[in-house]
Formats: sequence, C-alpha cells, structure tokens
Amino acid sequence: GQNIDQPTEMTATEGAIVQINCTYQTSGFNGLFWYQQHAGEAPTFLSYNVLDGLEEKGRFSSFLSRSKGYSYLLLKELQMKDSASYLCAVTDSNYQLIWGAGTKLIIKP
Amino acid sequence: IAGITQAPTSQILAAGRRMTLRCTQDMRHNAMYWYRQDLGLGLRLIHYSNTAGTTGKGEVPDGYSVSRANTDDFPLTLASAVPSQTSVYFCASSDGGGEDTQYFGPGTRLTVL
Repeated sequence: GQNIDQPTEMTATEGAIVQINCTYQTSGFNGLFWYQQHAGEAPTFLSYNVLDGLEEKGRFSSFLSRSKGYSYLLLKELQMKDSASYLCAVTDSNYQLIWGAGTKLIIKP
Repeated sequence: IAGITQAPTSQILAAGRRMTLRCTQDMRHNAMYWYRQDLGLGLRLIHYSNTAGTTGKGEVPDGYSVSRANTDDFPLTLASAVPSQTSVYFCASSDGGGEDTQYFGPGTRLTVL
C-alpha cells in the first residue's frame, strides 16, 4: 500500500530552527510537496521537490532523497505565525497526490 | 472572484437529506479536486476532474457524486447524507495533473446529525 509518515506534533521555540521529517512508500514517485495549514484555514503551497537535494526559499528549505524515500522541511528563525500544521504529499506513478496526516508545529515564546 | 470559492462556509444537515457543496475557480485551471479532511487523517480525495466533461473516483467516493459541466464549477453532491460524512470539505484546482501545485478553497465545514 501507499504510506506517508510524519510526526504528529512537534514543539519548538521562537527564533530557533526545526526540522519536520517525512518518509514515504508509494507506487512510483513524481514529486513531493510541502503545504502549510493554519488552524481553520485551507492548505497553502510551500515547496516542491522532484530531484534530490535542498531547495531553499527564504526561511524555509525542503530536502529530498528519492533513494531513501525521505524528505524534510527546515524552518529557520521561527516566528509565532509559523504555528501551523505542515502537510507532506507525494505524487505517485498515476499522478495522484497522496497526503500525509500532517505535523502540528507549536511555537513557544 | 480571485482563486477558488466554496459555499456554504458551514452547514448542519439532517441525516438522509441531499446536499450540494459548491466550488468555483477563476484561474482557468484544467483539473479540480474534492477532498475531505478529518482529525488525525490526511486529506482524502473524494473525486477529481482532469478537464471539463470528465470526472474520476478518488480514495473515498462512496456516497458522493460530482459533475464538471464547465471549466470553472465543480459541485459535490451528497445524495443522502450520513453522520460519517461529517467533515471539512476542501475543493482544489491545478493547472495540470498531480505534479502541479494545487490551490485550495477555504473549505466547507459540514455536520450531519
């Protein structure tokens, strides 16, 4: 079956760095997405990786290793507004998007 | 309109009633999707449409139907609502298929009693 694993919840301190991991087992691979979802709101796009390596976008970076079925989202200089759920999603061989359950990130002052 | 709109924002519905959730996008995207999101579970695809005039079944299609008469609109119908359909429903669209970024509407919170 297809499976995406992420930690359920993480806590970090304002100003610090946090890494949210995602491992996947899917039938084929055509890209990995990270979305941010604030409580009560819709998911919004953060990043997309299709090749191995690190993609940096401001305070957020996303890493992919296709051979290991692994990705992480790195958030630097954490701000209170970064408190949200972070969703990992993989495009499989049928170009369907398979979603993880999300990681709830709690930022403490 | 800018992006995707959904209506209603929230609804309380008696079991057995018929309900249509509306979704409209103005980005001229080819593909549209309906998801449900339940606590502790990832987004689950109900139905999708790769282009106007075509639809397909997702992971959890039972009890739901869709139509795609034109590019902009993608309504989701619950023919006879049951309590297990209590959820938050998100509509999304993308320019192409699964490798393209999906843009989400604000969601509809549905409670079936």
